Amino acid sequence: DIQLTQSPSFLSASVGDRVTITCRASQGISSYLAWYQQKPGKAPKLLIFVASTLQRGVPSRFSGSGSGTEFTLTISSLQPEDFATYYCQQLNSYPVTFGPGTKVDIK
Amino acid sequence: EVQLLESGGGLVQPGGSLRLSCAASGFTFSTYAMTWVRQAPGKGLEWVSTISGSGGSTYYADSVKGRFTISRDNSKNTLDVQMNSLRAEDTAVYYCAKLGYCIRTGCYNFDYWGQGTLVTVSS
Repeated sequence: DIQLTQSPSFLSASVGDRVTITCRASQGISSYLAWYQQKPGKAPKLLIFVASTLQRGVPSRFSGSGSGTEFTLTISSLQPEDFATYYCQQLNSYPVTFGPGTKVDIK
Repeated sequence: EVQLLESGGGLVQPGGSLRLSCAASGFTFSTYAMTWVRQAPGKGLEWVSTISGSGGSTYYADSVKGRFTISRDNSKNTLDVQMNSLRAEDTAVYYCAKLGYCIRTGCYNFDYWGQGTLVTVSS
């Protein structure tokens, strides 16, 4: 099974900050990585897929990059509504796996 | 507008069974693979199972293989999961989701999610 790790696991930041979250895969997954945002009590929301494609309706301050085993999610200027937990997910092969999450909190 | 509405959650004793359903609307249901993802209280996301659009292919996490069965009824636009031999560690919110960005080699995101239904396994 492909394991995903995320760093950091917790991030304290201020409105307007540039935030970067890293996701590493235990083996190469080409570009078959997605990012999700989840707020407490809500379902996850797709942000980015195939590493760098922004889902319709997602603000352009979110961007993704990477391929192979290392990927990043960047929020260029953190907004109040961005405080949430972020998960990466690999869909290169079954079983589909998720990273453990990165919680972005208010500094 | 795509809508996914789960139902069937509740309290069940260890060793018991439960059937969850997901009613889909707003898209051509039979065209898309569907999936179940769960989230234990205070924990991360765990993929459970996926079924192809036709229902002919199914995939399971090792943690549920042999106990859970995913199915779909394309005439009713519904997705189900039959959960048997339930354990305390199956306690979670269960989400159904639609697979998206489907190209020749597969589908590469879960683009729409339901609101989830809580399953609690406890005596």
